[in-house]
Amino acid sequence: AQRVTQPEKLLSVFKGAPVELKCNYSYSGSPELFWYVQYSRQRLQLLLRHISRESIKGFTADLNKGETSFHLKKPFAQEEDSAMYYCALGTNFGNEKLTFGTGTRLTIIP
Amino acid sequence: DAGVIQSPRHEVTEMGQEVTLRCKPISGHNSLFWYRQTMMRGLELLIYFNNNVPIDDSGMPEDRFSAKMPNASFSTLKIQPSEPRDSAVYFCASSPGGGRAGYTFGSGTRLTVV
Repeated sequence: AQRVTQPEKLLSVFKGAPVELKCNYSYSGSPELFWYVQYSRQRLQLLLRHISRESIKGFTADLNKGETSFHLKKPFAQEEDSAMYYCALGTNFGNEKLTFGTGTRLTIIP
Repeated sequence: DAGVIQSPRHEVTEMGQEVTLRCKPISGHNSLFWYRQTMMRGLELLIYFNNNVPIDDSGMPEDRFSAKMPNASFSTLKIQPSEPRDSAVYFCASSPGGGRAGYTFGSGTRLTVV
């Protein structure tokens, strides 16, 4: 069965400091990994997906199959990065479901 | 495209009343998902449809919850009778299909049962 673990429920970082949101997954097949962001009282928005290897709003995430991780990183935090971040795991055949982690609430301290 | 559209945005109802939440997926997306978000449990998948057919309803909490998708452009989630513990934000999401695609979420319905 698939599982996504986000070990930190809360994370506070000073403005300008580096950010790393941890995500580990468990899946025996070839995974598809995503990061979603939810700003206060808004919808969840797709931030990035590993397959496209893009950088959105300065965030990047690299899939490490050896460590089964997909950590989200940003070198210099900005106040507008304060939000809830969810890591999600998809499979590539048949099953449409994404398995979401429990989320990490990131607070940027001015 | 206007994205995934949910209505109402807010719903306050009394315990025991029936509640119906509505969702219009993105045109051409063939998968639709209903999620519930609470502080205690985070994001929980309730049910998902593929080509209007319910595929997995194992997350539906109990018989008081039911979901339908009569056509490709409309889905409902009904709670009857509602209870205070059903208070949550209910999100609908749609996907063009396949685990690679990711989801597009609606703005959610904030349900308060008093």
